[in-house]
Amino acid sequence: EAGVVQSPRYKIIEKKQPVAFWCNPISGHNTLYWYRQNLGQGPELLIRYENEEAVDDSQLPKDRFSAERLKGVDSTLKIQPAELGDSAVYLCASSPHRGSDTQYFGPGTRLTVL
Amino acid sequence: GENVEQHPSTLSVQEGDSAVIKCTYSDSASNYFPWYKQELGKRPQLIIDIRSNVGEKKDQRIAVTLNKTAKHFSLHITETQPEDSAVYFCAASSIGAGSYQLTFGKGTKLSVIP
Repeated sequence: EAGVVQSPRYKIIEKKQPVAFWCNPISGHNTLYWYRQNLGQGPELLIRYENEEAVDDSQLPKDRFSAERLKGVDSTLKIQPAELGDSAVYLCASSPHRGSDTQYFGPGTRLTVL
Repeated sequence: GENVEQHPSTLSVQEGDSAVIKCTYSDSASNYFPWYKQELGKRPQLIIDIRSNVGEKKDQRIAVTLNKTAKHFSLHITETQPEDSAVYFCAASSIGAGSYQLTFGKGTKLSVIP
């Protein structure tokens, strides 16, 4: 079974530029999470989807961050414009359905903002 | 919301010795406690988890204990090996908006010295 897939693995941009990350969850998983992991810290939830519905986006900085999961499968997280403090690893995770507590993580996208 | 504290932040042990990592949580409604291992530049991988209806769970050299009254849980690794060197994260999970949300500790960097 393929795991959670993310791309790109690494991204370097200059501040004020836009950037987008893509995630494909494990096949059949309805719940999808985006996390941000700062250096030396644990992952922090940004947004959670149940199919195509964002059920918890309270931690997403909505002035510059946006996300979508239009068909309830893969998802895109966007930052526009990026700031220096956005440098982090952006992790995607999935669970089979909302009643499942186990989350499976992707390899992440390491973003560096110069 | 949930708050998870993890100690120690770094831990060095001799190969063959045991390692113990401790976490406390604040939300008494939390009922699922996973542990993730993250090697440098790789995805967090679930190594063991425990639910609130049990007090201890073992899987070969790793075990987790849970004390719901005191709201703390611990990871025990016996007969440590160099390949156990990684960052370990604890997490606590409760249901919010119909699906599980994880709150992570800040991680423990375990170094096993050959």
